[in-house]
Formats: sequence, C-alpha cells, structure tokens
Amino acid sequence: AQTVTQSQPEMSVQEAETVTLSCTYDTSESDYYLFWYKQPPSRQMILVIRQEAYKQQNATENRFSVNFQKAAKSFSLKISDSQLGDAAMYFCAQMDSSYKLIFGSGTRLLVRP
Amino acid sequence: DAGITQSPRHKVTETGTPVTLRCHQTENHRYMYWYRQDPGHGLRLIHYSYGVKDTDKGEVSDGYSVSRSKTEDFLLTLESATSSQTSVYFCAITTGLYTEAFFGQGTRLTVV
Repeated sequence: AQTVTQSQPEMSVQEAETVTLSCTYDTSESDYYLFWYKQPPSRQMILVIRQEAYKQQNATENRFSVNFQKAAKSFSLKISDSQLGDAAMYFCAQMDSSYKLIFGSGTRLLVRP
Repeated sequence: DAGITQSPRHKVTETGTPVTLRCHQTENHRYMYWYRQDPGHGLRLIHYSYGVKDTDKGEVSDGYSVSRSKTEDFLLTLESATSSQTSVYFCAITTGLYTEAFFGQGTRLTVV
C-alpha cells in the first residue's frame, strides 16, 4: 500500500534563510512519481516540484530543490532564500502505476520577516 | 485556470440526508480524484476514476460513492451524511503519471 508521511506539522524560517521539509513514503513498486504541492491560504493547490523515481538526479526548480533518497524512501524539499510568499501548507505526494495520487498530512511553513 | 469547477462551493446539510457534490472539467483529462481535507490529516483520497465508468476506492471511501457516466463529470455522493463528513472536499484532474494535478476550488460541506 502507498503511504506518505510528513512528520513536521509546522516549520518556521527566517526570511532569506533556508529550510528543509521532510517527507517519507512507502510503496511496493519500483517505478513511481513524487511531488511537492503548495497550498496558500487561498486553498489553491500549486505544484512546486516533481521527481521521477528512476531518475537519480535531484530535481531543482529555482529556489526549490529536493533530496531524493530512494533506498531510504525519503523525499525532502529544500527552500532557499525563503520569501514571505513561501508561507503556506506544503504537501508531499506520490503516484504509482495504479494512478492513485496519495498525499501526506502536510507541513505548515511560517516565514518570519 | 485548468477548467475544473466544483459545485456547490458551500453546503450545509442535516445528518442523514443524501448529498451529491459535482466536479466538472473541460479539459478531457482521463483521471479524476475526490479528496477531503481536514486539519492534521492533509488531503485524503476518497475515490478516483481512470475513465468513464472506471472507478476505484481510496483511503477513506466508507460512506461515499462515486459515479462517472461521462468524461467531464465526476460525482461524489454521501448516501446518508454524518457529522464526521463535515470537511472541505477537493476534486482534482490529471492526464497521467508524471503530470501536474489540477484542483478545483473546493467545497465546504457542513453536516449539522
């Protein structure tokens, strides 16, 4: 069964600093896909970054990067040069060949000015 | 906008009454999903669909049923609403495995 676990209910970071959000997952499949989504107070869901499990290179999108550790089933999100607009809920998600898209419980990120 | 709309946006209903939420898309995407979002639980998958008349259960399917008679519409029904089903419900669509999922604006359902 697919599971996604986010063990940090809330994180805080100083503006311009770096923060890392943790995510672990479980799946019996060898091929799957991992995502980070951002949900600001507007409740809109926004894709931040994605990673294909068979690619060893960590994905990067501007200030956002991931640390993908396949053997450990870990998929953490690093936000560099944090901005006030980064404050939101962040959800880790996984999809495998069943097309089930499963989300973690989320991490609320606070950004201190 | 990804062309996905949910209706109604807000609903208050009484315990024991049936409720149907509608998700409508204009994108012709194959895969559609229903989630509920509750504090501390994130988004939990209720049911999903991989084609017309093809649906499967998610993590929290008890008390919910779905139907998809045409590509553009995915209906979520609470046969007999309970207070534990008070939540914000999101519909999502995607074209495949590695593609971005697009979400509706959510439906806030309150069961009193």
